[in-house]
Amino acid sequence: DTGVSQDPRHKITKRGQNVTFRCDPISEHNRLYWYRQTLGQGPEFLTYFQNEAQLEKSRLLSDRFSAERPKGSFSTLEIQRTEQGDSAMYLCASSPSALGGDTEAFFGQGTRLTVV
Amino acid sequence: LAKTTQPISMDSYEGQEVNITCSHNNIATNDYITWYQQFPSQGPRFIIQGYKTKVTNEVASLFIPADRKSSTLSLPRVSLSDTAVYYCLVGVPGTASKLTFGTGTRLQVTL
Repeated sequence: DTGVSQDPRHKITKRGQNVTFRCDPISEHNRLYWYRQTLGQGPEFLTYFQNEAQLEKSRLLSDRFSAERPKGSFSTLEIQRTEQGDSAMYLCASSPSALGGDTEAFFGQGTRLTVV
Repeated sequence: LAKTTQPISMDSYEGQEVNITCSHNNIATNDYITWYQQFPSQGPRFIIQGYKTKVTNEVASLFIPADRKSSTLSLPRVSLSDTAVYYCLVGVPGTASKLTFGTGTRLQVTL
């Protein structure tokens, strides 16, 4: 296992189109996170899964956004009717579920979305 | 999660030690301090994590004073490849539902 994998790395789409991104976490990790990052800003939390259950969604995640994690393995993030403001890097991260310290999240390389 | 404050940017010459300080005045008893590094067009990468005193790994050291209201990431003998954005996060690993990133510190290393 080489880490968190995201596909595609880059996506250019026309405004109004739907796009879907995929994230494959590290296999033994049961926590999966989606973040969005715009230029010059830190990553912003979008949503979080514990296994297949989506436990939290940010208010940034409008009705046009939906995320799934069937069977608690890979996850998809879909954006419907894309807008130019959706242009950003979409990052996926995974971590093991553990209490206490010494727990880190592993990030993928992200999918850069450009809406034209 | 506790709010953090870091310098927006820092400059250093290659070979120098770099210290980046993060303020977290409202840190809670169970919070840990975690630092991430991010290169352009890549996801953040975990550097180091600590609770109190000093933690050292092969990449960096983390100094945390007794009151834990601040922390300092120390990068020994930086190289050009250390040019990146460094984020300080505070929270409870494993129980926090998310990581809250600030705007980070942009470190520029030159010859």
